Amino acid sequence: DTGVSQNPRHKITKRGQNVTFRCDPISEHNRLYWYRQTLGQGPEFLTYFQNEAQLEKSRLLSDRFSAERPKGSFSTLEIQRTEQGDSAMYLCASSTWTARGNNEQFFGPGTRLTVL
Amino acid sequence: AQKITQTQPGMFVQEKEAVTLDCTYDTSDQSYGLFWYKQPSSGEMIFLIYQGSYDEQNATEGRYSLNFQKARKSANLVISASQLGDSAMYFCAMREGKAAGNKLTFGGGTRVLVKP
Repeated sequence: DTGVSQNPRHKITKRGQNVTFRCDPISEHNRLYWYRQTLGQGPEFLTYFQNEAQLEKSRLLSDRFSAERPKGSFSTLEIQRTEQGDSAMYLCASSTWTARGNNEQFFGPGTRLTVL
Repeated sequence: AQKITQTQPGMFVQEKEAVTLDCTYDTSDQSYGLFWYKQPSSGEMIFLIYQGSYDEQNATEGRYSLNFQKARKSANLVISASQLGDSAMYFCAMREGKAAGNKLTFGGGTRVLVKP
């Protein structure tokens, strides 16, 4: 499978616990994005990387959230001291430059987080 | 102001008929890109079609076409010959600015249900 993969697909945790999600982008895609999607809403941007550099972070990304892409390949998103409001689908996407300039983002299946 | 507005929360369409999903956007950038994604109940976001702000012709991809009216800032998606598998959430998204790797801003989505 050469698409974007995310693990785990589902995570149930208790309030106050830390969780970490992993995203493996399409091979050789240099850009990687994290989005959060709550029920009935469109995805909201959290952060993105070009290679290993984190180029932009949303205000949604509080200090309890941290993302890394240490070698410019896979990425991890960690949420510390989870709150019930963190319950959502966390989507990862990757893209690369195309001659046409569309650079569409290819999304993974997401990690659904439930905080009890 | 909302950057992407999808005014139709849900729509029914008869199988084999065409359906138009509305999307209006708001940006002061001259260079931007508009995308449509499909999200079935499985959760994965599937790229459908792209329109660049400087593209003079409306984009088409198989049964999908984008009705781009720049002056009105609208980018409606037309699905022709609807199939049962088209039942899903549909999201309009915008990438602003010249940097092709910029984040996407999504609308709230339109749920389409195709009736046999």
